[in-house]
Amino acid sequence: EIMLTQSPDTLSLSPGERATLSCRASQSDSSSYLAWYQQKPGQAPRLLIYGASSRATGIPDRFSGSTSGTDFTLTISRLEPEDSAVYYCHHYGTSPRTFGQGTKLEIK
Amino acid sequence: QVQLVQSGAEVKKPGASVKVSCRTSGYTFTDYYIHWVRQAPGQGLEWMGWINPNSGGTMYALRFQGRVTMTRDTSISTAYMDLRRLRSDDTAVYYCARAWGGTSRGWFDPWGQGTLVTVSS
Repeated sequence: EIMLTQSPDTLSLSPGERATLSCRASQSDSSSYLAWYQQKPGQAPRLLIYGASSRATGIPDRFSGSTSGTDFTLTISRLEPEDSAVYYCHHYGTSPRTFGQGTKLEIK
Repeated sequence: QVQLVQSGAEVKKPGASVKVSCRTSGYTFTDYYIHWVRQAPGQGLEWMGWINPNSGGTMYALRFQGRVTMTRDTSISTAYMDLRRLRSDDTAVYYCARAWGGTSRGWFDPWGQGTLVTVSS
């Protein structure tokens, strides 16, 4: 089982700033079966990034994903108030599928 | 557009069963796997398993084996998740999600709106 550990647990930033969210996998995987989702209160998760760095349809280019070995990063440049949400990383390449515990992003 | 619409909220007593439906539209139902994920109140996301709507084949997370059954009805493009012997810690929002790419190893997009299952005596 590939365990995903996200950091930080909570991030508080101001509009216009840059957010860097991390997700570390417990073991290496030669493929980039890593996705990022955004979840707002009372809503289902929404796909942002798949394949570690490909943006989903309709997602603003302020959102970007990158990878280095077992470390995955979601970067949100130029934060907007509506970016306030919980962000989850997700490994979908092996069973069981796993999710990180989430990073709560607060916009001041 | 692609849509997954789930059945409404349920309240069940401990020991009972619940069956949640996920009605799909906007694409060929048998071309994409459906996964089920749950989220306890204030907690993170937990994967439960998948069903291949074409063959009916399934794979379940170890902790749910023996208690969960995933089925489908291709005539109405609907997937189902049946969870038995409910406990209070099964209280959660249950989501269905389509896996992209025609295999089980796809990212999840889109998701259903979620079904709240409350287990309480």
